Amino acid sequence: SQTIHQWPATLVQPVGSPLSLECTVEGTSNPNLYWYRQAAGRGLQLLFYSVGIGQISSEVPQNLSASRPQDRQFILSSKKLLLSDSGFYLCAWSGDRGLGETQYFGPGTRLLVL
Amino acid sequence: AQSVAQPEDQVNVAEGNPLTVKCTYSVSGNPYLFWYVQYPNRGLQFLLKYITGDNLVKGSYGFEAEFNKSQTSFHLKKPSALVSDSALYFCAVRDSAGNTGKLIFGQGTTLQVKP
Repeated sequence: SQTIHQWPATLVQPVGSPLSLECTVEGTSNPNLYWYRQAAGRGLQLLFYSVGIGQISSEVPQNLSASRPQDRQFILSSKKLLLSDSGFYLCAWSGDRGLGETQYFGPGTRLLVL
Repeated sequence: AQSVAQPEDQVNVAEGNPLTVKCTYSVSGNPYLFWYVQYPNRGLQFLLKYITGDNLVKGSYGFEAEFNKSQTSFHLKKPSALVSDSALYFCAVRDSAGNTGKLIFGQGTTLQVKP
C-alpha cells in the first residue's frame, strides 16, 4: 500500500533563517506531488505541484520554492523565512491515470516563524 | 473557471441525529468531486468521491454524499452523527484544465457533534 511521509512534524524557526521540508511517498511510481499551505486551520492554498522529476509549477508568487530531485521526493524550501510563512504545510500525492485520481495527504508540518 | 462553495462555516448537530454538510460546485464539463475530513493538527483524510455512475456515493466511516447535477450540489450526509465525527470537512472539485490532478477546495465546514 502507498504511504506518504512528511518531516519534521513541527518546526520553530527565526525570521531570516532557511527552510527545508521534505515529503516522500512509498508504494507508487511517477506520482503527481503537491505542496499546500493551510493558515489558521482553514482553507488550503496550493503552492506547488509536480508531474515528474524536475518539473515544478508554482501556483502563487512567494518566498518559497520547491524541488523534486527524485521520483517520490518533494522538497519545500526557503532561503529566508518571513513571519507570514508560518502555517501548516501539507504534502499530497495522486496517481497520473486521469481526472478521477484521488489525492492523498501526508500528516503535515507545523511551521512557526518567530 | 471551476469553483467550490461550502456555504456554512459551522454545522452543529446532536449525537444520533442525521447530519448534512453542504457543497455546491461550478465546473465546465463533467464534475469530479471529493470530500475530505481533517482532525486537529492532522492531514486531510479522503472520505469519498464522485466520478460517474450512481448519484449516491458511499464512503468511509458511514458517510455518503449525494450528487445532484441540476442543483450542482454534492452534499455530505450521515444518518446518525457521532461525537467523534466532529472535525473540519472539505469539499473539492478536480481542476479539469490540463492533466495536473489539481484539486480546488472549498473553505471548509466545521462540524460540531454534541453529546
